Amino acid sequence: TQLLEQSPQFLSIQEGENLTVYCNSSSVFSSLQWYRQEPGEGPVLLVTVVTGGEVKKLKRLTFQFGDARKDSSLHITAAQPGDTGLYLCAGATDSNYQLIWGAGTKLIIKP
Amino acid sequence: DAGVIQSPRHEVTEMGQEVTLRCKPISGHDYLFWYRQTMMRGLELLIYFNNNVPIDDSGMPEDRFSAKMPNASFSTLKIQPSEPRDSAVYFCASSLGASHSPLHFGNGTRLTVT
Repeated sequence: TQLLEQSPQFLSIQEGENLTVYCNSSSVFSSLQWYRQEPGEGPVLLVTVVTGGEVKKLKRLTFQFGDARKDSSLHITAAQPGDTGLYLCAGATDSNYQLIWGAGTKLIIKP
Repeated sequence: DAGVIQSPRHEVTEMGQEVTLRCKPISGHDYLFWYRQTMMRGLELLIYFNNNVPIDDSGMPEDRFSAKMPNASFSTLKIQPSEPRDSAVYFCASSLGASHSPLHFGNGTRLTVT
């Protein structure tokens, strides 16, 4: 069974601090997607990483795909209250259309 | 585009009643997914369709759950009879193309079964 372990489960920090969220698996993924979900809404895609070692930046958010394509990280620089939400990672394989979802990281940024 | 549209946003019903959740995917998207989200289990895929045909329903928890997609612009998820443990947020999502394509989620239906 493929699993995607996401950590931490919960993080509450002050505005301006940096943070990193991790997704780890023993399985290899052909791509990995990161989503953010706000209360009362569905998840919204932030980025997809495809190549091992790939780094993508979205303003203050930096996403990295591990060289072996088994893990990924999301780093937020100078977090702001607007970054508050549930962050979800989801891995895709070529053999199965079904995405493998992490359990999510609930992030709260206090002003 | 209005995005994926789900209705109702909230549903409160009594145990044993039938519940029908509705979804309108983004026009042109050929994949449609039904997910369930709870605190305990996170996001769980229930079933997905490709070109209106159910492809994988292995995530449907029991025979009480059924889903249909009569045309490219409409899908339903039905629970009959409903039970308190079915209480969750149910999401519909659609995508264009293969497994690496992003999912576009609706805003979900929060179901409470008392």
